Amino acid sequence: EPEVTQTPSHQVTQMGQEVILRCVPISNHLYFYWYRQILGQKVEFLVSFYNNEISEKSEIFDDQFSVERPDGSNFTLKIRSTKLEDSAMYFCASSESRPGGSTPLHFGNGTRLTVT
Amino acid sequence: AQSVSQHNHHVILSEAASLELGCNYSYGGTVNLFWYVQYPGQHLQLLLKYFSGDPLVKGIKGFEAEFIKSKFSFNLRKPSVQWSDTAEYFCAVNAKDQAGTALIFGKGTTLSVSS
Repeated sequence: EPEVTQTPSHQVTQMGQEVILRCVPISNHLYFYWYRQILGQKVEFLVSFYNNEISEKSEIFDDQFSVERPDGSNFTLKIRSTKLEDSAMYFCASSESRPGGSTPLHFGNGTRLTVT
Repeated sequence: AQSVSQHNHHVILSEAASLELGCNYSYGGTVNLFWYVQYPGQHLQLLLKYFSGDPLVKGIKGFEAEFIKSKFSFNLRKPSVQWSDTAEYFCAVNAKDQAGTALIFGKGTTLSVSS
């Protein structure tokens, strides 16, 4: 079964540094997402992406975050200047149809980001 | 905006016990409902989903969930749990047929099953 793959599995960075989290969505999917889960808290929506642009974002997704689909396969999340509170598990997901449609999201294994 | 509440933070059961995990959502319109499971060290996987039709939906590994519209609930059940069901369970909802609507998750319930 095709999978969403995320790299790296664990990233440690210093406060103020830029990080790029990488994802390869399922190849025929058109909608891409980033979620995060701070330890002990719920999975929170960050952003959705379709047709090379952001279709929806949460209040968490402020100016320090950006997403990009640099080529036909990768989908990246960049955090420009990391803060301690950015430490979390970041999940990438993809789906065939738009949010609210009839197909579910498929999630990657996540990248654990630790900001020191 | 939608929100999801999962009432049980941590549930501890013995093998063969029955399971029911509560999930309530708030949204005035029509919704899609999901349960995802996250086994230790693994990614979120879809357990089951409800889009329309029969409110009792069956998923993988013997799980089922019932959508009760009047109660805004979508509780997850399994008649007899196994040690391998130890995982984190997340209820999620999104608005049906509304463009740009994110999937919103509950806080999750940790299920620990002892053998």
